Amino acid sequence: QSALTQTASVSGSPGQSITISCTGTSSDVGGSNFVSWYQQHPGKAPKLIIYDVSNRPSGVSNRFSASKSGNTASLSISGLQAEDEADYYCTSYTDISTLVFGTGTTVTVL
Amino acid sequence: QVQLQESGPGLVKPSETLSLTCTVSGVSMSSNYWSWIRQPPGKGLEWIGYIYYTGSTNYNLSLKSRVTISVDTSRNLFSLKLSSVTAADTAVYFCARDRGVEGIDVWGQGTTVTVSS
Repeated sequence: QSALTQTASVSGSPGQSITISCTGTSSDVGGSNFVSWYQQHPGKAPKLIIYDVSNRPSGVSNRFSASKSGNTASLSISGLQAEDEADYYCTSYTDISTLVFGTGTTVTVL
Repeated sequence: QVQLQESGPGLVKPSETLSLTCTVSGVSMSSNYWSWIRQPPGKGLEWIGYIYYTGSTNYNLSLKSRVTISVDTSRNLFSLKLSSVTAADTAVYFCARDRGVEGIDVWGQGTTVTVSS
């Protein structure tokens, strides 16, 4: 059960758009709709921002969007804001009903 | 609203058993999965395992031989035991509600556990 692979860091200027990728296998991301994304600020608990591949919980900004193609899931942030600076993690359930996290991506707002 | 609170010793000796409890308030534990997740200092998140309110469990394969998660729905809490700990088990431990396809939507604040003699 290896961690899903994410780009270590992504940066962008305020107002720009960025995309974070999350690559797994056919045993997890590729074979599951149970793909979620979490935002974590330093010293805080993670916060759910996307579930079921592309759905946003109530209260999450529509600047966050997500999709999946094959074994890779993607999270996009449009209109980048200073408050978006955080770590982002993808997760997926696997074909044996375990959960695997991504390696994490640090987003820096320049 | 739904709240989760971790509790337990902040310091555990090597080779001993780490024991944490998560108290759930604001919701019945029925019809939900309850998870433990940890984060070593400066590193990413690692799923430890979950328990359904019926007591059914599933664990991270890399930790399975050392992990036990149990639930007490009458007291609205679930617990984690991790045996034979080493320094590599030093981490912030989070408890959380896992709603499956709807994601892990409620997290505790996390509790730091250090393994050291």
